[in-house]
Amino acid sequence: RKEVEQDPGPFNVPEGATVAFNCTYSNSASQSFFWYRQDCRKEPKLLMSVYSSGNEDGRFTAQLNRASQYISLLIRDSKLSDSATYLCVVNRFGNEKLTFGTGTRLTIIP
Amino acid sequence: SQTIHQWPATLVQPVGSPLSLECTVEGTSNPNLYWYRQAAGRGLQLLFYSVGIGQISSEVPQNLSASRPQDRQFILSSKKLLLSDSGFYLCAWSGRGQGTEAFFGQGTRLTVV
Repeated sequence: RKEVEQDPGPFNVPEGATVAFNCTYSNSASQSFFWYRQDCRKEPKLLMSVYSSGNEDGRFTAQLNRASQYISLLIRDSKLSDSATYLCVVNRFGNEKLTFGTGTRLTIIP
Repeated sequence: SQTIHQWPATLVQPVGSPLSLECTVEGTSNPNLYWYRQAAGRGLQLLFYSVGIGQISSEVPQNLSASRPQDRQFILSSKKLLLSDSGFYLCAWSGRGQGTEAFFGQGTRLTVV
């Protein structure tokens, strides 16, 4: 089983809709969680950290479910500019490595 | 503010030629440094990471090596490139300690021909 798993998509979503992605992780010792966004042929950029209590940044909401070992990203009122690949990242306690999921590709349709 | 520089942006190299990609970080001390590779349409594969000068951890057996001659300099090398070395190479840094996010350089798109 992969350490971090994401549905690769693609998700094709009409503009203005709400879309949600999940990401599961296999190691219960995972400590820190992030969502990154990667545009085509560009480097990944940090979108948001994921906190235990859940957190929101504008139209984006991240949630952590430790019992079921998954994190989620919700995008409300989606914009054309949200089209990208979204990468889930986890870090294990006592480990300097960040492990990336393979990403979920999102396309917002006008 | 911290910045990370990676060069070159694109590179076309013949099979069997050597490789040297350089990455430098500014505005921070003692960063953790990483080299990732992303094949076309695939996820990020961690190749090497370093927690200090001269300290290199290799994640997968491969045709590549890494060195950290200075605190904020990370170099990815190969003596002889293979076709399978083609990909998008990304350098990243994170702050000291666990659980901090990573920040990426612009990447080098390597094509081995």
